[in-house]
Amino acid sequence: EAGVAQSPRYKIIEKRQSVAFWCNPISGHATLYWYQQILGQGPKLLIQFQNNGVVDDSQLPKDRFSAERLKGVDSTLKIQPAKLEDSAVYLCASSSGTSGVQETQYFGPGTRLLVL
Amino acid sequence: AQSVTQLGSHVSVSEGALVLLRCNYSSSVPPYLFWYVQYPNQGLQLLLKYTTGATLVKGINGFEAEFKKSETSFHLTKPSAHMSDAAEYFCAVSDEDAGGTSYGKLTFGQGTILTVHP
Repeated sequence: EAGVAQSPRYKIIEKRQSVAFWCNPISGHATLYWYQQILGQGPKLLIQFQNNGVVDDSQLPKDRFSAERLKGVDSTLKIQPAKLEDSAVYLCASSSGTSGVQETQYFGPGTRLLVL
Repeated sequence: AQSVTQLGSHVSVSEGALVLLRCNYSSSVPPYLFWYVQYPNQGLQLLLKYTTGATLVKGINGFEAEFKKSETSFHLTKPSAHMSDAAEYFCAVSDEDAGGTSYGKLTFGQGTILTVHP
């Protein structure tokens, strides 16, 4: 079974530029998550989708971050404009969406973003 | 609001020695607890999880953790460390909000880097 795919793996941009990350979850998984992992910290949830609807985006900086999950499968996360403090690893995870709070989340390898 | 504290950002052990990584949580409702491992330049992989039932949970690669409600702890152990265990370990909690809604949101601790010496 293929895991969660993410691209690109690495990205270097200058501040005020825009960037987009792509995620393809495990086939059949209804729930998709985007996390931000700053160096030395644990992952922090940015946004959670159930199929193509948003169920939690309370920690998403909506003035610069946006995300979508068209057709309830792939997802993109965009930052525009980027700031220095956005340098982090962006992790995508998916889960079956059938077990609620007991869900096991499966993580992709992440996209490492450096903003100069 | 739920939170997770991992005591010790770095733990160093000798190969063959006991591994003990500490995790304490704060939650207003019965929690569901997870340990994930992250190898360099990789995503997180589930080691084990506690949902209900037996408080001693066994996971992959010889790891286990015990849920102690009275101590609000979920420490991770392995009797004998192997070089391949060197990685960063994250404890996480998931629970329902006051309204009984659960979306499976995970709150992570800050992580513990495990180093294993020959």
